[in-house]
Formats: sequence, structure tokens, C-alpha cells
Amino acid sequence: RKEVEQDPGPFNVPEGATVAFNCTYSNSASQSFFWYRQDCRKEPKLLMSVYSSGNEDGRFTAQLNRASQYISLLIRDSKLSDSATYLCVVTLISGTYKYIFGTGTRLKVLA
Amino acid sequence: NAGVTQTPKFQVLKTGQSMTLQCAQDMNHEYMSWYRQDPGMGLRLIHYSVGAGITDQGEVPNGYNVSRSTTEDFPLRLLSAAPSQTSVYFCASSYGDTDTQYFGPGTRLTVL
Repeated sequence: RKEVEQDPGPFNVPEGATVAFNCTYSNSASQSFFWYRQDCRKEPKLLMSVYSSGNEDGRFTAQLNRASQYISLLIRDSKLSDSATYLCVVTLISGTYKYIFGTGTRLKVLA
Repeated sequence: NAGVTQTPKFQVLKTGQSMTLQCAQDMNHEYMSWYRQDPGMGLRLIHYSVGAGITDQGEVPNGYNVSRSTTEDFPLRLLSAAPSQTSVYFCASSYGDTDTQYFGPGTRLTVL
């Protein structure tokens, strides 16, 4: 089983739609959780960190479920510019220096 | 702040050649790392550093060397390039070992 798993997609959605991605992780000792966005042929960029209480940034909402070991990302009112690959990233406890990257979920927002 | 910078952006090598990929950051981050990204495989850690003078191996270190003489710079050396090293290489830095990583723009390497 992969340490971090994501549905590769692609998710093809119309502009204005709401789309949700899930990511599961296998290590219950995981400490920090992130969603990164990666555009084609570009570097990953932080979209948002994910906290146990859930957090929101504009149209983006991230949630963490430690009991079920998954994190989610919800994008509301999708824009064409949201088209990208979304990477789920999980770290283990401090001192191990291990960032585990999912292979990404590809989103295409259609006009 | 420039953040994390990498040079070159593109490089073509012949099998057996050596080269150094440069990485620098101006955020005073202690932690720096090198990843390679191949289609369908996600990012894989090559080497990392937790401070000047301290480096360690990641998941896929064979064929690569690193050194960290300053906080700012973390070069990656390919000793004898092989076609299997054709990939996109990203350098990243972070304040701590579970904090947000910031990535450079990447180097696209092709080994013929």
C-alpha cells in the first residue's frame, strides 16, 4: 500500500462547479499535512496547510480526519485558472525529515 | 526575497558526463533537499541537509552527491550521468523538518 494515495483523475468539471479531492495516508504518526498545487512543468507551490480543526482560504477548504487517516480539499466555484495537479503531502514526526508526496490529482476546469 | 533559485533550467548531458545542479535560498532556512520527479511516481527525495555541514541520504541517493558549505547553497552533483537520471529535479527548503517546503523552479535534465 502506498504511504499517501490520491485518485489521479483527471477530474473534468465545468466552471462554477464544486469539486472535492481526498487523500489517504497510512502512517498514524503523521504530523503535518499540506495541499500543494503544481501547474504543468512548474514547481509545486503551497496551496494550504491542513489543520485538525479544518481551515478555509477563500474558495478552498481543507479538512483532516485523523481517525480515518485522510485529508480532503474542497474547491468551490471552480475557475479555469484552478486547472492544475493537486498534491497531497504528509510529514512524519519531527526528527525524521520525511515528506511523503502523493502522485497528485489532476483537475481540468472546462469553460 | 528571491526564495529558492535553481540553475540551469534545462540541461542535456551525454552518458558518463558529470555536472552540478545549483540551488540557493535566501530565507535562512536550515533544511534543504533535492527531489526528482518522474511521471506517475511523485517526488522522491535524493539527499537532504539539516544545516551547513550536515547532509544525509534520501530515498534515491545513488549516482548523486551533495555538500552544504553554507546555509544558502545546496548543490547536487551527478557523478557519471545515466539515462535513468533523465528527470525533473527540484530543490526545496524549509524552516523546520515538518514545516512548509518552498520549491525552486526546477531543472529539466535529459541524459542521452
